[in-house]
Amino acid sequence: DGGITQSPKYLFRKEGQNVTLSCEQNLNHDAMYWYRQDPGQGLRLIYYSQIVNDFQKGDIAEGYSVSREKKESFPLTVTSAQKNPTAFYLCASSITGGDDYGYTFGSGTRLTVV
Amino acid sequence: AQSVTQPDIHITVSEGASLELRCNYSYGATPYLFWYVQSPGQGLQLLLKYFSGDTLVQGIKGFEAEFKRSQSSFNLRKPSVHWSDAAEYFCAVGRRGNQFYFGTGTSLTVIP
Repeated sequence: DGGITQSPKYLFRKEGQNVTLSCEQNLNHDAMYWYRQDPGQGLRLIYYSQIVNDFQKGDIAEGYSVSREKKESFPLTVTSAQKNPTAFYLCASSITGGDDYGYTFGSGTRLTVV
Repeated sequence: AQSVTQPDIHITVSEGASLELRCNYSYGATPYLFWYVQSPGQGLQLLLKYFSGDTLVQGIKGFEAEFKRSQSSFNLRKPSVHWSDAAEYFCAVGRRGNQFYFGTGTSLTVIP
């Protein structure tokens, strides 16, 4: 079955370390997104990419970096510059045309700074 | 500016009772409208979506939503709530090729 796989489900990071969250999709979707979810704040867009080798900053890109070398993959790196990285991170994908439009979400990665 | 408001942070209903979750939006053009549901520690699942046409849309799990352009609203309803409906519900708006905007969510508790 097609879907989005996020790994790992839980991730612990020491302060000052960079960590990379994986997001892979086999839906043949063109666009991919990273959201951060904090209690009471809904979902906030970090980065998004509509085609390979191209991506744009979202509302809270500072302290994060991404790459889009393959259509299927959109990894997110949380750098040491992100001052408050503890959160639930969600990856999503969508087509960019047609009627079946909407986001498909992965099951998320919970990142905790220890 | 684009925004989505879900005025109810938390709602408690009895099993079998009806449910309405409110969503108001601000957007430059008529957006696509979505409702998602999230169980604890999980991703978001699409319940229903509105693009155009009939303003009353049916979704999965017995949910429906009505688009009211004059009120900039897209409220989610269910005639009879089941205990398994307890979750967090998010309203979202967007246009093809542009980012989605999500509300802050409404947490639903269902009591027996």
